[in-house]
Amino acid sequence: ELKVEQNPLFLSMQEGKNYTIYCNYSTTSDRLYWYRQDPGKSLESLFVLLSNGAVKQEGRLMASLDTKARLSTLHITAAVHDLSATYFCAVDRYLYNTGTASKLTFGTGTRLQVTL
Amino acid sequence: GAGVSQTPSNKVTEKGKYVELRCDPISGHTALYWYRQSLGQGPEFLIYFQGTGAADDSGLPNDRFFAVRPEGSVSTLKIQRTERGDSAVYLCASSLFEGYEQYFGPGTRLTVT
Repeated sequence: ELKVEQNPLFLSMQEGKNYTIYCNYSTTSDRLYWYRQDPGKSLESLFVLLSNGAVKQEGRLMASLDTKARLSTLHITAAVHDLSATYFCAVDRYLYNTGTASKLTFGTGTRLQVTL
Repeated sequence: GAGVSQTPSNKVTEKGKYVELRCDPISGHTALYWYRQSLGQGPEFLIYFQGTGAADDSGLPNDRFFAVRPEGSVSTLKIQRTERGDSAVYLCASSLFEGYEQYFGPGTRLTVT
């Protein structure tokens, strides 16, 4: 059974600081997603990481994937209050050549609070 | 274009009642997924449709839960004899093909009193 662990679960940081959220998963996959969720809202897609060594950046957020270590990171640079939200990583167990059906397994989420 | 839509946005029902939750995927998307998100948790997989057939229903918690997608587009999640533990946000997602990025709808918040 695929397990996805995120840490930390809660992160309070000051504006202007840098921090990294970690996402570890337990079985082979080369499809990892990062989502943002604001309170009472649905999931907003941030990054799609599809290969070992993939790195993507959007604004103050940068995500990377190491499939050998089964680790993804979401790095926050110079945080601003607008980044306050819950961030989820999700791993798709889909493997085309094995016929394993697609489904996302989510981490527990990291609640980020950026203080002024 | 239009995203994934779900109706109703909120549903309050009494314990023991039957409910139906509807999902309209993005037009042309062949794959459709249902997830359930309890308060303070990440979404959990319920069922996946490829076309009209359920390719994986391993996440349905018990036989009170059932889902259909008769024409390969709109899907309905049906819950019989609702229990208070069924209270959660039910999220629907669709993707162009299996294994492609999933786009989520706004969710239906189900409250069982």
